[in-house]
Amino acid sequence: EVQLVQSGAEVKKPGESLKISCKGSGYSFTTYWIGWVRQMPGKGLEWMGIIYPGDSDTRYSPSFQGQVTISADKSINTAYLQWSSLKASDTALYYCARSGRQLVHPFDYWGQGTLVTVSS
Amino acid sequence: SYMMTQPPSVSVAPGQTARITCGGNNIGRKSVHWYQQKPGQAPVLVVYDDSDRPSGIPERFSGSNSGNTATLTISRVEAGDEADYFCQVWDSSSGHVVFGGGTKLTVL
Repeated sequence: EVQLVQSGAEVKKPGESLKISCKGSGYSFTTYWIGWVRQMPGKGLEWMGIIYPGDSDTRYSPSFQGQVTISADKSINTAYLQWSSLKASDTALYYCARSGRQLVHPFDYWGQGTLVTVSS
Repeated sequence: SYMMTQPPSVSVAPGQTARITCGGNNIGRKSVHWYQQKPGQAPVLVVYDDSDRPSGIPERFSGSNSGNTATLTISRVEAGDEADYFCQVWDSSSGHVVFGGGTKLTVL
């Protein structure tokens, strides 16, 4: 059974750093793209970026380029999303989702989401 | 960058047909995927590659895509179909994934 299990909710202060995770199981982790999607409170889905764990090829949305870093450790089947300096506006629910072997493929499995709250 | 437009809301009575559109320049040339998101839950893929259904998705869910509009059609709408629906494509020109703004389906 394919599963994506994300790390738990986080409460942080502005300026702090954060790294959240997404562990895949039940499939070949290195041969499927993993994407990250932001959902701000009461809003829609925003694509942040995507990584191919097999060779760490990474693409970013222009809206998030330079604001976050996406990485993966294929030895433990885990993808990461990290911030070096959080802002209050980063408060949101973050999902990881598996795409196919090609970027044209849909996100067929999703993690449960990680709620990030940034408040002083 | 590529943009897609969805109506903010669609309302339909139980048993009727709901049509949710996703507009974009020459979207008919792209593969469109549709997701359903119920409150407090992660999105679920309901239609991919314009008109295919993942296993476990009822036949009531169907899709089409032509010209500048892709459409998700939900036949014989049930109360349990009430949710937000999002379209998504991969824009080969930019190499980016794009989501539509989402449509809230209300079952009257």
